[in-house]
Amino acid sequence: GNSVTQMEGPVTLSEEAFLTINCTYTATGYPSLFWYVQYPGEGLQLLLKATKADDKGSNKGFEATYRKETTSFHLEKGSVQVSDSAVYFCALTNQAGTALIFGKGTTLSVSS
Amino acid sequence: EPEVTQTPSHQVTQMGQEVILRCVPISNHLYFYWYRQILGQKVEFLVSFYNNEISEKSEIFDDQFSVERPDGSNFTLKIRSTKLEDSAMYFCASSGSFQETQYFGPGTRLLVL
Repeated sequence: GNSVTQMEGPVTLSEEAFLTINCTYTATGYPSLFWYVQYPGEGLQLLLKATKADDKGSNKGFEATYRKETTSFHLEKGSVQVSDSAVYFCALTNQAGTALIFGKGTTLSVSS
Repeated sequence: EPEVTQTPSHQVTQMGQEVILRCVPISNHLYFYWYRQILGQKVEFLVSFYNNEISEKSEIFDDQFSVERPDGSNFTLKIRSTKLEDSAMYFCASSGSFQETQYFGPGTRLLVL
């Protein structure tokens, strides 16, 4: 079945540093790809998504491009802020589209 | 902006007791889901639900679990006889269709003693 592998954390950065969180997937067919974010003590919020190859999802300065050739959906941000400290989850739809499959999550900690 | 709501936010129960977790999906959504997240671990799919039927369920969703849409607005997850290992954050989600974005509620933190 479909699966996702996400880089292990924690990731610790200084404010204004460049962020990359790697995510690769294995899938049958053409899943939709997502990044969700979980701030401390809160639920899951959709950060961005891409539904087909070469699509770029973006939101709040974060970007990720659906790369079919490398089966990747890496999350990037050019200049992180302290308020970006959270757990980031890469996810994809299963083959039937009836469920999301999540990666293990990457904890990002940004210090000023 | 419409959002998914869940009640209660926290629930403490004794092992062997039944619990019902409640969710109000976004009003025009027809597809509903439950996920759980054991502390420090990844989010795991439990079940998806459409047209008053389970569409898919994971291995975790065994006979102790059930879901129901008792009226036009609520979607519930029942755990019949809770075990210690059911302690987790339970998230409800809804979407307009399968393959569309799932929007998550804030979760119910369940602690089984």
